[in-house]
Amino acid sequence: DAGVIQSPRHEVTEMGQEVTLRCKPISGHDYLFWYRQTMMRGLELLIYFNNNVPIDDSGMPEDRFSAKMPNASFSTLKIQPSEPRDSAVYFCASKPGQFYTEAFFGQGTRLTVV
Amino acid sequence: AQSVAQPEDQVNVAEGNPLTVKCTYSVSGNPYLFWYVQYPNRGLQFLLKYITGDNLVKGSYGFEAEFNKSQTSFHLKKPSALVSDSALYFCAVRETGNTPLVFGKGTRLSVIA
Repeated sequence: DAGVIQSPRHEVTEMGQEVTLRCKPISGHDYLFWYRQTMMRGLELLIYFNNNVPIDDSGMPEDRFSAKMPNASFSTLKIQPSEPRDSAVYFCASKPGQFYTEAFFGQGTRLTVV
Repeated sequence: AQSVAQPEDQVNVAEGNPLTVKCTYSVSGNPYLFWYVQYPNRGLQFLLKYITGDNLVKGSYGFEAEFNKSQTSFHLKKPSALVSDSALYFCAVRETGNTPLVFGKGTRLSVIA
């Protein structure tokens, strides 16, 4: 398996623009997580899905952020409109359904909002 | 609520010397503990985990970690550091089997030749 695949790897956008980050989890994994990494706050959980259903989105910072998982092999994280403080590295991770298994991370998308 | 503390932002060690990266945790029930490593411009890679059983857990690349329930600690160790071990290390905790991992802020390890 190719692992968790995220695209794009880098995104530079202007303030106010819509940004869409994409994730393809490992086939057969039941859980998908979106994390954000910044120097100030470290790794923060934004939202996670189980069997394509959002379970907890309490980490989503504002209504400008939304996430979807239309099927088991694809998820998106959208920011509209984007702001400079959204600049961060966004990670997607997936995990099998068995208890106590570790999560597997993608390589991340580095977002810069100017 | 569960939480993880990594008290050191930076750890420096000479190549060949033993290394320790510290982690303490707080959970209301039994802890499920993990260590991940992040190399520059890469995602997080799993190193090892403690679920139950032996308090000394062995993982990838010669790393091991010791679970200490009385001290609520899960320190990462390696007997002999390599320059290639230089990276950012994250400790994480999960309270139940399938809830998301909660990460510490990370510790940057620098191994000097």
